[in-house]
Amino acid sequence: KNEVEQSPQNLTAQEGEFITINCSYSVGISALHWLQQHPGGGIVSLFMLSSGKKKHGRLIATINIQEKHSSLHITASHPRDSAVYICAVSSQETGTASKLTFGTGTRLQVTL
Amino acid sequence: NAGVTQTPKFQVLKTGQSMTLQCAQDMNHEYMSWYRQDPGMGLRLIHYSVGAGITDQGEVPNGYNVSRSTTEDFPLRLLSAAPSQTSVYFCASSYSLGFPYEQYFGPGTRLTVT
Repeated sequence: KNEVEQSPQNLTAQEGEFITINCSYSVGISALHWLQQHPGGGIVSLFMLSSGKKKHGRLIATINIQEKHSSLHITASHPRDSAVYICAVSSQETGTASKLTFGTGTRLQVTL
Repeated sequence: NAGVTQTPKFQVLKTGQSMTLQCAQDMNHEYMSWYRQDPGMGLRLIHYSVGAGITDQGEVPNGYNVSRSTTEDFPLRLLSAAPSQTSVYFCASSYSLGFPYEQYFGPGTRLTVT
């Protein structure tokens, strides 16, 4: 079993829909990261959080440390949101917090 | 700032050839790392470095070498390419290994070994 599991693996939505991508992890962490990868493109950090909720524009990330679960929400989705969204966790082991363990990603396609 | 740069963007090698993937960052980051990305799998750590002259192995180090002679540069060397090394390679950096910091990724190198 992977230490970081994402669901769904693939997601198709219509423009304007509210989207939720889930991430569950089985290890102790010091932080959780949400990353975005456009087709053929590089990887960009969206959020890093260790508690509560963060918001940037139409994107919202939440984390529940007790349940070892995080969600990424996209409000009023747009075709430009089409990308792979990757959840990654920072090690809790002392002195190694930048060593990340990655989920396999959620491929999102937003259509008109 | 250019951020994290990688060259080349694409490369085709024959089995047994060697090559170096270049990575550089201009943010004075202490921690740099190399990952490979394969279909259906999460990114996997190959090697990492916490400063000039200090490197260590990650999850999948076999067949790869690294060195870090300056803070800015962290090249990845494939010693004798094999088809199993066909992958997309990403270099990343962050301020430090010891605390969680935002990670910055390069644009990636798509490598095909025939």
